[in-house]
Amino acid sequence: KQEVTQIPAALSVPEGENLVLNCSFTDSAIYNLQWFRQDPGKGLTSLLLIQSSQREQTSGRLNASLDKSSGRSTLYIAASQPGDSATYLCAVCRGYSTLTFGKGTMLLVSP
Amino acid sequence: NAGVTQTPKFRVLKTGQSMTLLCAQDMNHEYMYWYRQDPGMGLRLIHYSVGEGTTAKGEVPDGYNVSRLKKQNFLLGLESAAPSQTSVYFCASTRWTSANTGELFFGEGSRLTVL
Repeated sequence: KQEVTQIPAALSVPEGENLVLNCSFTDSAIYNLQWFRQDPGKGLTSLLLIQSSQREQTSGRLNASLDKSSGRSTLYIAASQPGDSATYLCAVCRGYSTLTFGKGTMLLVSP
Repeated sequence: NAGVTQTPKFRVLKTGQSMTLLCAQDMNHEYMYWYRQDPGMGLRLIHYSVGEGTTAKGEVPDGYNVSRLKKQNFLLGLESAAPSQTSVYFCASTRWTSANTGELFFGEGSRLTVL
């Protein structure tokens, strides 16, 4: 059974810092890995999707990398802002009915 | 763009009552999902559908039923609500093609409390 772990569970940083969120998974036979953002009381918003054949994806200040062989993905946030405060979840997909979520990293960026 | 819309957003039920959550998507997606999110448990798949008229069980299907009579709608029913079903429910949809392996779009969630 696929297990997805996110470390750290919570992170507090001052505005302007670059930061890295980690996601590890136990089964490397995946189709893709997605990073989501969830604001309190809201749904999940897709940030980046990395196909299994890709190594990384970038969107603005966000960069996600994927290393299937080691079962790891990282989400890099450059020049963090208070508006980045949210919970970040990664999800590993092995098929249309097998998407496994991590429990998330709660990020607080203080002004 | 409406995307994925869930109704109702909040509901309080008494044990044993029934209710239906509605999910509607306007992106012509074939695949639709119902998840529940609980503190410390993450998101868990309840039921899913790969097209109109088809449904299948996910990880935690007991106590729930679903229907997909129209492509754009996916209904989640609780026939006899229990306190253990107190949760936040999320609907999601996606399209799977050779060029697109399943970016998920989520609704805003439905917060259900069973007393």
